[in-house]
Amino acid sequence: DSGVTQTPKHLITATGQRVTLRCSPRSGDLSVYWYQQSLDQGLQFLIQYYNGEERAKGNILERFSAQQFPDLHSELNLSSLELGDSALYFCASSVGPGEAYEQYFGPGTRLTVT
Amino acid sequence: GQQLNQSPQSMFIQEGEDVSMNCTSSSIFNTWLWYKQDPGEGPVLLIALYKAGELTSNGRLTAQFGITRKDSFLNISASIPSDVGIYFCAGRNAGGTSYGKLTFGQGTILTVHP
Repeated sequence: DSGVTQTPKHLITATGQRVTLRCSPRSGDLSVYWYQQSLDQGLQFLIQYYNGEERAKGNILERFSAQQFPDLHSELNLSSLELGDSALYFCASSVGPGEAYEQYFGPGTRLTVT
Repeated sequence: GQQLNQSPQSMFIQEGEDVSMNCTSSSIFNTWLWYKQDPGEGPVLLIALYKAGELTSNGRLTAQFGITRKDSFLNISASIPSDVGIYFCAGRNAGGTSYGKLTFGQGTILTVHP
C-alpha cells in the first residue's frame, strides 16, 4: 500500500458525459501528479500540482482539467468523454515538486466509456 | 518529445533463471527509475538511479544508470513466481518546466513458469 488513495476504483459512463476522479496523496506529500495508462499510448504524464498550484503540464487534453484543494487532495475532471478516453488513470504523490522527490502511485481508477 | 524504448516487450522464463531488460532514450535523463506493476494495481517503485554509471541493488534486483545517461538496465536474479508482472523504466529530467515529470517506457511483461 503506497498510501495514495484514489476513488472510484471503476467508473463506467457514456460518451459525452463528464466524470470526476479523486486522489488523496500520502500524508505529508504536497505534490500530486496525474497519469493516463492506455494500451496504445502506455503511461503518459498529464499534469502536476504542488501545494495547490499547477506546476507542469503534459499531454492533457483541453477537455480535461484538474485542481488541488487546500487539504491537498486533487481531482481530475474529464468532460465530453469519448471512447478513446477509456483508460486507467493514476495519481501519484511526492513530498516536493521537483526531481529530487520520488513519486508513489495510487491503485488507479479504471474508466470505461461506452 | 522524449521517447523511451524498452526491451524486450515480453519474457517467458523458468523459475530460478536470471532476467535482463533495458531502456534506451533519444535524449538524456538525470534520473532513471524502475517500477513494477501488478494487474489492477499502480506502479511500485523498485529502484531509483541518480548518477551516470551508478549501479544499485535491491535484493535480487540490480539496475544501472548508463554512462551516456541515455540508457538503463534492470537485472533480476534467481526469478520466483511473484516476480510476474509488468516492469517499466522511467526517466526524469531536472528543472525548467519538467519538474518531476516521468517519461515511461512501454513495459516488459514478465511471466515466470514454476
